Amino acid sequence: EPEVTQTPSHQVTQMGQEVILRCVPISNHLYFYWYRQILGQKVEFLVSFYNNEISEKSEIFDDQFSVERPDGSNFTLKIRSTKLEDSAMYFCASRGGLSYEQYFGPGTRLTVT
Amino acid sequence: AQSVAQPEDQVNVAEGNPLTVKCTYSVSGNPYLFWYVQYPNRGLQFLLKYITGDNLVKGSYGFEAEFNKSQTSFHLKKPSALVSDSALYFCAVRDGGGANNLFFGTGTRLTVIP
Repeated sequence: EPEVTQTPSHQVTQMGQEVILRCVPISNHLYFYWYRQILGQKVEFLVSFYNNEISEKSEIFDDQFSVERPDGSNFTLKIRSTKLEDSAMYFCASRGGLSYEQYFGPGTRLTVT
Repeated sequence: AQSVAQPEDQVNVAEGNPLTVKCTYSVSGNPYLFWYVQYPNRGLQFLLKYITGDNLVKGSYGFEAEFNKSQTSFHLKKPSALVSDSALYFCAVRDGGGANNLFFGTGTRLTVIP
């Protein structure tokens, strides 16, 4: 069964550093998403991406964040200058064109020290 | 604005007993509702959805959910709980925008006691 994959599973970085989180969505899916989950809290929407551009973004997704689909398979989330409060689990998700449910990857745990 | 409430942080149920995890929602327009499960150190797994049609929706692993429009609820149920059902359960609603991003509840931790 096809699944969303994410790398790395855990990333530790120092405050102020740039990080890139990588995702490989399910191959025939058209819509791509990033969510985050701060430890012990609910899952929050960050950004959606379709047809090579951002469809929607939340208030969390400020100028420090960017997304890219550099090729036909990868979908990346970049945080330019990480802050302590960026520490969270980041989930990538994808969705097919004819369905409403999203399929999530296993997540990348980002720890900013 | 869309919102989802999961009134119980924790639900405990004995193995073999029926389980219910509650969810209520508030949306403008037609509700598109989802249940996801999260096992420790894992991502979110899709269980089931309600878009339209029958109020009783069947999903993965023997779970089902009942959509009740008058009570604006979408409770998750299973007739007989297994220890392996112990996990964190999230109710979600499609947000109003065109990208169909999801707005999640705060989650309910289900513990099935052997």
